Amino acid sequence: QKEVEQNSGPLSVPEGAIASLNCTYSDRGSQSFFWYRQYSGKSPELIMSIYSNGDKEDGRFTAQLNKASQYVSLLIRDSQPSDSATYLCAVNEAGTASKLTFGTGTRLQVTL
Amino acid sequence: DTAVSQTPKYLVTQMGNDKSIKCEQNLGHDTMYWYKQDSKKFLKIMFSYNNKELIINETVPNRFSPKSPDKAHLNLHINSLELGDSAVYFCASSHRQGVGEKLFFGSGTQLSVL
Repeated sequence: QKEVEQNSGPLSVPEGAIASLNCTYSDRGSQSFFWYRQYSGKSPELIMSIYSNGDKEDGRFTAQLNKASQYVSLLIRDSQPSDSATYLCAVNEAGTASKLTFGTGTRLQVTL
Repeated sequence: DTAVSQTPKYLVTQMGNDKSIKCEQNLGHDTMYWYKQDSKKFLKIMFSYNNKELIINETVPNRFSPKSPDKAHLNLHINSLELGDSAVYFCASSHRQGVGEKLFFGSGTQLSVL
């Protein structure tokens, strides 16, 4: 059973701070890693993808991948109340095209 | 124009009934999926179709039967509904089958089995 682990939270950060969301995965053969944001009562939407070790930046979001440690993280700079949502980490299963395993998500609360 | 649309949004029914959820995507994608999200927000793949061909069939009770009449549609029929089937069911699509493909989700169908 491939696993993707996330702290369920809630993670509470003040507006303007950096939010750090973490994810570990069990499948060493995984090649693709994603962060989806899900607002309450809504569907998940992709905000970041990362495929190689290191950092990938997109606006206020930075994804970090360390395959040796089987660890992927998402940093949100200058957090805004509109960032309050559940963030789902997703990892593709090695050898299975299109099959993603999702974590249970971390709920982020950005406070005023 | 909704990219991935699914109906109904809410479905409340009694145990033992049979129900269907419909999904359509207008993105021209080749691959479509059904995911189930339980009350703890765990999102798990159920089925995936690529150009009407079943490519992923997770360990799902055979009471669940997907059907893809064409690559823009993927429906889910559930027989003999059970309490444990209560969840949010999301349809999704991706451009094609492959590692790293971005998923586009529908708005979900909240199924409540009483």
